[in-house]
Amino acid sequence: EAGVAQSPRYKIIEKRQSVAFWCNPISGHATLYWYQQILGQGPKLLIQFQNNGVVDDSQLPKDRFSAERLKGVDSTLKIQPAKLEDSAVYLCASSTTGPGEQYFGPGTRLTVT
Amino acid sequence: TQLLEQSPQFLSIQEGENLTVYCNSSSVFSSLQWYRQEPGEGPVLLVTVVTGGEVKKLKRLTFQFGDARKDSSLHITAAQTGDTGLYLCAGRTTSGTYKYIFGTGTRLKVLA
Repeated sequence: EAGVAQSPRYKIIEKRQSVAFWCNPISGHATLYWYQQILGQGPKLLIQFQNNGVVDDSQLPKDRFSAERLKGVDSTLKIQPAKLEDSAVYLCASSTTGPGEQYFGPGTRLTVT
Repeated sequence: TQLLEQSPQFLSIQEGENLTVYCNSSSVFSSLQWYRQEPGEGPVLLVTVVTGGEVKKLKRLTFQFGDARKDSSLHITAAQTGDTGLYLCAGRTTSGTYKYIFGTGTRLKVLA
């Protein structure tokens, strides 16, 4: 069974630029999560989708971050404009319906200079 | 805001030693998971505990969920270099969207 795929693996941008991350969850997983993990800390949930609907986006900085999950499969997370404090690893995870075991992708390491 | 504090934050031990990592909160969780994360990878689930007081064993790893479901511990017996990594606890909230809140993490290094 293929795991959660993410791209790109690394991205370096200047502040005020925009960036987008892509995630392809495990086939059949209805729930998809985006987490932000700052170096040395635990992941922080940014947004949770159930199929193509948003379940929780309470910690998503909506003035600069946006996410979508078209057709309930792939998802993209966008930052526009980026700030220095957005430097982190962005993890995508998926699970079957409900908060069961989450399977994580390898993450995208973003550096904002 | 529900928080999960892990201690210690860093731990460096010799191969063969025992260790315990703690995960504490003032909030009640419906279940708690432990993950291990290696550099450049996403977290990988080790165990889920659901019942207060529950103890689960995974080879040399023993996980316990507190009676009040507010805290948990991970004990490793005879640590090996392969145990090196970032250990994360994650508690499932009891209301709202029933999401998982991750702990602050414990970085373990086992020396040969």
